[in-house]
Amino acid sequence: GAGVSQSPSNKVTEKGKDVELRCDPISGHTALYWYRQSLGQGLEFLIYFQGNSAPDKSGLPSDRFSAERTGGSVSTLTIQRTQQEDSAVYLCASRRTVNQPQHFGDGTRLSIL
Amino acid sequence: AQTVTQSQPEMSVQEAETVTLSCTYDTSESDYYLFWYKQPPSRQMILVIRQEAYKQQNATENRFSVNFQKAAKSFSLKISDSQLGDAAMYFCAYRGNSGNTPLVFGKGTRLSVIA
Repeated sequence: GAGVSQSPSNKVTEKGKDVELRCDPISGHTALYWYRQSLGQGLEFLIYFQGNSAPDKSGLPSDRFSAERTGGSVSTLTIQRTQQEDSAVYLCASRRTVNQPQHFGDGTRLSIL
Repeated sequence: AQTVTQSQPEMSVQEAETVTLSCTYDTSESDYYLFWYKQPPSRQMILVIRQEAYKQQNATENRFSVNFQKAAKSFSLKISDSQLGDAAMYFCAYRGNSGNTPLVFGKGTRLSVIA
């Protein structure tokens, strides 16, 4: 497809379980970002990847959160031992170059019971 | 650290009328980018308009225009001839000019359009 693809669209899981969220960026986009949007809030930066450089993890809220990007394309955000406060919409965005705007996916709505 | 403030949690406008959404930001940088994103219930963030800080001319995109006041650190969005499809959450966002810095978002304004 032409846009950023995220899966699953919705995820419901029990507290304490691990979850993996997937992002497939637009082909050719070298930069990839993860954001979190809690209810009634704006987007909060989590992590970004640029090419083969080390990722900027400065926005990750705890060590339960991690992400990887394999082959410079698909990225997976993993949340271990989920807590109820992790419930949010997780949005992925990608960008071709520094001067281009970010393109967002539809997000994954994560609900922790 | 940069911050973005949207002081209007909710706004409403009559169809075909004009509405202005407010945004202020705080930064010590001189060169940066500002954006307005629209988020309908589908959740996807859609870029509405963007402004480079070094450009004095206000950006326009069809019915959407901005009033960029650099000294006041203000970046408001004007929607003219409002349509029902304009109803959504609108987010103001800031991005510095160094490398691939992430976007800093305000908390959003929910716009309702009344038929």
